[in-house]
Amino acid sequence: EVQLVESGGGLVQRGGSLRLSCAASGFTFSNHAMSWVRQAPGKGLEWVSVISGRGGSMYHADSVKGRFTISRDNSKNTLFLQMNSLRAEDTAVYYCAQCDTMMVMINWGRGTLVTVSS
Amino acid sequence: QSALTQPASVSGSPGQSITISCTGTSSDVGGYNYVSWYQQHPGKVPQLIIYDVTKRPSGVSSRFSGSKSGNTASLTISGLQAEDEADYHCCSYAGTSTFMVFGGGTKLTVL
Repeated sequence: EVQLVESGGGLVQRGGSLRLSCAASGFTFSNHAMSWVRQAPGKGLEWVSVISGRGGSMYHADSVKGRFTISRDNSKNTLFLQMNSLRAEDTAVYYCAQCDTMMVMINWGRGTLVTVSS
Repeated sequence: QSALTQPASVSGSPGQSITISCTGTSSDVGGYNYVSWYQQHPGKVPQLIIYDVTKRPSGVSSRFSGSKSGNTASLTISGLQAEDEADYHCCSYAGTSTFMVFGGGTKLTVL
């Protein structure tokens, strides 16, 4: 059974940093691209970042480019999202997702809440 | 403002069919066959129900179907059931610069 467990969320001041983690199990982690998707309270989904299975390709949404960096450690089956220069509009639940191709998110974690105070 | 446009809400009675539209541009929906749909029940995690415009993952009911015409993708749910009441989100590949965009989501109410 695929399991994705996010951690690292919390309350942070505007301009601060956080590092999210996503521990994966139940599948061959290095064979799959992984994504981060966020959802602000009461809002729709917003794609944030994706990284290829071996980590050689990464893409980020324009709204986070230059501030967020996706990475992975295949030896530890863990996905990361380094978030710097946080803004109030970054407040959201952050989901990690296992991808089939880089464009299809087939399994999702339960999410971790990030709250940026102004 | 989301990159893809969905109606905020749709409704239907049990047994009926409904269609949710997802309108983008030639740079996303119209340019690639990489549209996916996600179902999200209140307080729950999103679940993939359609990918590559028309494909259904194993285990997803055949009552869900996807299509595309020009810059608009559509999700059709036939034989509406109470359990279908949820939010539905469309998503499209948008090239290597933007990569992925979501719609604003549509709340489906089963009357």
